[in-house]
Amino acid sequence: AQKITQTQPGMFVQEKEAVTLDCTYDTSDPSYGLFWYKQPSSGEMIFLIYQGSYDQQNATEGRYSLNFQKARKSANLVISASQLGDSAMYFCAMREGGLSGSARQLTFGSGTQLTVLP
Amino acid sequence: GAVVSQHPSRVICKSGTSVKIECRSLDFQATTMFWYRQFPKKSLMLMATSNEGSKATYEQGVEKDKFLINHASLTLSTLTVTSAHPEDSSFYICSARDRGRITRYGYTFGSGTRLTVV
Repeated sequence: AQKITQTQPGMFVQEKEAVTLDCTYDTSDPSYGLFWYKQPSSGEMIFLIYQGSYDQQNATEGRYSLNFQKARKSANLVISASQLGDSAMYFCAMREGGLSGSARQLTFGSGTQLTVLP
Repeated sequence: GAVVSQHPSRVICKSGTSVKIECRSLDFQATTMFWYRQFPKKSLMLMATSNEGSKATYEQGVEKDKFLINHASLTLSTLTVTSAHPEDSSFYICSARDRGRITRYGYTFGSGTRLTVV
């Protein structure tokens, strides 16, 4: 079974509008972390936002917010006031286990290509 | 903040030759390095996990004799693609784990290496 599922291969949004990128996850570990990364055409992975499984509040970082619905196992990324520079590939990822525990890799979803239209 | 320097960013090599990719953590000790491979418009797939001073653990289906990983020090991990062939052409990216001691999130990515085998 897929651990991270991103069902939107491509999304379009008008500049200055908000957009939600979907992510659902699957784990039986009570301790985990969820990440969103932006990957422009240059290839670098740009960290956007992080949500720990025990965090009480939804994470926010500037124009990015994470809509964390634990019971539904979803961690959607909301980008407000889209900008042309937001056009990129976006990946949702999960770390199973605690942050300081034994080394665990990030597992990535298939990504969503976001295009911001002028 | 934490920085992982990855070199080279781009490399073109002839079929049959070997290519070495370096990832160096500049201001922290990376006890664990993850190596990913990414095909165009696809997700990041974990190839192997290396821990300083020990042999790398390879994911199923990854040829350990073709993709040699060395993690000889706490600040340097290398991936050598041996006897490269056109099908090895891909984007390779490393990720160092800092256990949350440097970043809240625990992972720092290199900028990636685009390998083209001709």
